[in-house]
Amino acid sequence: DTGVSQDPRHKITKRGQNVTFRCDPISEHNRLYWYRQTLGQGPEFLTYFQNEAQLEKSRLLSDRFSAERPKGSFSTLEIQRTEQGDSAMYLCASSSSGEGNIIYFGEGSWLTVV
Amino acid sequence: AQSVSQHNHHVILSEAASLELGCNYSYGGTVNLFWYVQYPGQHLQLLLKYFSGDPLVKGIKGFEAEFIKSKFSFNLRKPSVQWSDTAEYFCAVSRGGGNKLTFGTGTQLKVEL
Repeated sequence: DTGVSQDPRHKITKRGQNVTFRCDPISEHNRLYWYRQTLGQGPEFLTYFQNEAQLEKSRLLSDRFSAERPKGSFSTLEIQRTEQGDSAMYLCASSSSGEGNIIYFGEGSWLTVV
Repeated sequence: AQSVSQHNHHVILSEAASLELGCNYSYGGTVNLFWYVQYPGQHLQLLLKYFSGDPLVKGIKGFEAEFIKSKFSFNLRKPSVQWSDTAEYFCAVSRGGGNKLTFGTGTQLKVEL
């Protein structure tokens, strides 16, 4: 499968713990996005990278959240000191740069904070 | 900031019925418009997109959507739904020249046999 892959698919953690999600984009894509989706809502933009540069961050991305894409390939999203409100599906997506390019989504990583 | 409204949160149809899902957006500049579908247990997939040209766009599986600029709308249609169309449908918008998507809240479609 050469689509966007995410790991882990499910994570249950205790409040206050740190969690990290990994995303491997489609190999030729230089843009990588993170979205968050809660039940009954559409995906909400968190941040995106072009190559290794983080070009935009949403206000939703509090100081406890950090995303990296060190070599312009895979990306990690870390949440520190998790809170119950962080429970959501974290979606990664990728695309080529430029207008008209389709954004492809991964299957997401479910986070449950107990 | 741009926003997207999907008016129908849950729709139940019988097979062979016609479908129309509403989508309105609130950005006055050039936009790119998308419909994504999420089948149960699967990832978001692109159904169709509009960037420019003919405002009536056709996507996969017999779906089509019409961009009406004056109404800021991009409604999704299918003349005859199938049980396999049961899924959640999301309308999304990006500003012209950009890739970042703003999604609506989604419409859960259930097609009954």
